Amino acid sequence: QQQVKQSPQSLIVQKGGISIINCAYENTAFDYFPWYQQFPGKGPALLIAIRPDVSEKKEGRFTISFNKSAKQFSLHIMDSQPGDSATYFCAANNNDMRFGAGTRLTVKP
Amino acid sequence: DAGVTQSPTHLIKTRGQQVTLRCSPISGHKSVSWYQQVLGQGPQFIFQYYEKEERGRGNFPDRFSARQFPNYSSELNVNALLLGDSALYLCASSLASGGPGYEQYFGPGTRLTVT
Repeated sequence: QQQVKQSPQSLIVQKGGISIINCAYENTAFDYFPWYQQFPGKGPALLIAIRPDVSEKKEGRFTISFNKSAKQFSLHIMDSQPGDSATYFCAANNNDMRFGAGTRLTVKP
Repeated sequence: DAGVTQSPTHLIKTRGQQVTLRCSPISGHKSVSWYQQVLGQGPQFIFQYYEKEERGRGNFPDRFSARQFPNYSSELNVNALLLGDSALYLCASSLASGGPGYEQYFGPGTRLTVT
């Protein structure tokens, strides 16, 4: 069922560094691409989202880069902080939301 | 303003039993979606309801069913529980079923354990 491939599976970054998580999709009918942050025992929280008519969207330290021709999009977390340590999911939507497998991010102090 | 609420928080059932999970969306939201999240994996789409009508169904057996009430709250029912149904069940609400206003906000989930 998975139509969104996410990498890497896990990521370790030093405090202040840039965290980059990548996703690739297959279905060109997808029209909405959100990123979610999930802490253990909690539901996913919407971080930032983009639609395919835009190549980049920035909100605070979080940026989505979107490459429609390559069918890829990525999340960049600038100035990563220990509090950013969580699992991040990309997703893509066309009538139903398809999630990537997740990336466990650890930010070391 | 309250976020998405789900009940119960945790549930332990025996194989073969039936379970009902409940979800209340954010005030003003008319769409509710249900997801199953197995430990270590991303959420898997089960159902979407909008204005009390089913708008989408994922690849789950007929043992899974859902409905949405006039106040936009929703229930997910699972019959004949299997060990493999053990998971975190997430509910998400949104203003619309697609297009602008589709941002989905998740509840804390119901942790179902089948023994």
